[in-house]
Amino acid sequence: EDKVVQSPLSLVVHEGDTVTLNCSYEVTNFRSLLWYKQEKKAPTFLFMLTSSGIEKKSGRLSSILDKKELFSILNITATQTGDSAIYLCAVGTYQAGTALIFGKGTTLSVSS
Amino acid sequence: SQTIHQWPATLVQPVGSPLSLECTVEGTSNPNLYWYRQAAGRGLQLLFYSVGIGQISSEVPQNLSASRPQDRQFILSSKKLLLSDSGFYLCAWKRRDTEAFFGQGTRLTVV
Repeated sequence: EDKVVQSPLSLVVHEGDTVTLNCSYEVTNFRSLLWYKQEKKAPTFLFMLTSSGIEKKSGRLSSILDKKELFSILNITATQTGDSAIYLCAVGTYQAGTALIFGKGTTLSVSS
Repeated sequence: SQTIHQWPATLVQPVGSPLSLECTVEGTSNPNLYWYRQAAGRGLQLLFYSVGIGQISSEVPQNLSASRPQDRQFILSSKKLLLSDSGFYLCAWKRRDTEAFFGQGTRLTVV
């Protein structure tokens, strides 16, 4: 059975801290790994990773994929209160329907 | 540009009542469509997906059903709601090599 596991499930940090969120996966016919940020309603897209070792960066957020060890990390530097959210990791496969398989998410709380 | 509409935003329904949630996509044709459910503060569970009109695949056996009467319309239904059907329902679309784009969600409370 395909599965995506995120850790930690929750995290509380102070503004300015750097955090690392983890995502490991076991799926058949891996295609891509995606990170989303969810604040109130719809998840918003952050990154899509398909190749190992190539870092994707957007402002204070960055992510990298290791297809050999089957995991990805999402780094957030100099955290701000606006970074407080649920961070979701999802994996896409080549299977019918190409639905994304989501982990349970990491709830990040940044205190001022 | 593509947009996805999902309604209603919130819904409170008594146990045993029917349910109909609607999702429509604009600006694209023949999208893959998905219904997900999210328990409070947790990840997304795939309920149904559709790769074309009338084609529905169910991922989790449950009290819900889905239909796709038109290319860009996806409906989630139930004949009789259970308390356990409460949750946050998200509709999404994607193409094969893209990320998924989500609607704003429906928060369903069954009382």
